[in-house]
Amino acid sequence: KAGVTQTPRYLIKTRGQQVTLSCSPISGHRSVSWYQQTPGQGLQFLFEYFSETQRNKGNFPGRFSGRQFSNSRSEMNVSTLELGDSALYLCASSLEQAYNSPLHFGNGTRLTVT
Amino acid sequence: AQKVTQAQTEISVVEKEDVTLDCVYETRDTTYYLFWYKQPPSGELVFLIRRNSFDEQNEISGRYSWNFQKSTSSFNFTITASQVVDSAVYFCALSEFTGNQFYFGTGTSLTVIP
Repeated sequence: KAGVTQTPRYLIKTRGQQVTLSCSPISGHRSVSWYQQTPGQGLQFLFEYFSETQRNKGNFPGRFSGRQFSNSRSEMNVSTLELGDSALYLCASSLEQAYNSPLHFGNGTRLTVT
Repeated sequence: AQKVTQAQTEISVVEKEDVTLDCVYETRDTTYYLFWYKQPPSGELVFLIRRNSFDEQNEISGRYSWNFQKSTSSFNFTITASQVVDSAVYFCALSEFTGNQFYFGTGTSLTVIP
């Protein structure tokens, strides 16, 4: 069974641009969560999608948005990039709602904003 | 306030030593889940264990064991006879029934020296 796939693995953008990250969950998993990982802040929850609906959102500005498609694939968008958005963005899928299920993580997308 | 505290930022041990990684959590929910994840140098977080708030039984899986104590709000992780392959960053996480999201600790970086 294929794991969680995130594309691209690396991205370099400049301030003010926007970026879209993609995540394909494990087949059959209906929940997709996104996390931002930085050395200073650790893993911070961005949002969770379940059956195409956003179930929960972390404490991030509106520049961070996402969506989930009918095949459970998810995208995350960051608009008007800032230097502080440089981070490893991790996607995780789970069979059911995330709060009581083990999360299966992808390898992440390393975003560098210059 | 941090919901999950991993006070040990970095630990180094010599191979075959035992090591305990501490995790203290904070929640008002009576229903919650605790998790441990491992992030090896390759970057992908790997699920290790899940424990719900109603099950305080300790668990052993090979060289790994977990001690859950509600009285002290702790969920500590012990590796017995550590090996070089155990070198990784270990994250403790809390998921609350009402909160509907995961809260990760800042991680403990374990280095096992051969």
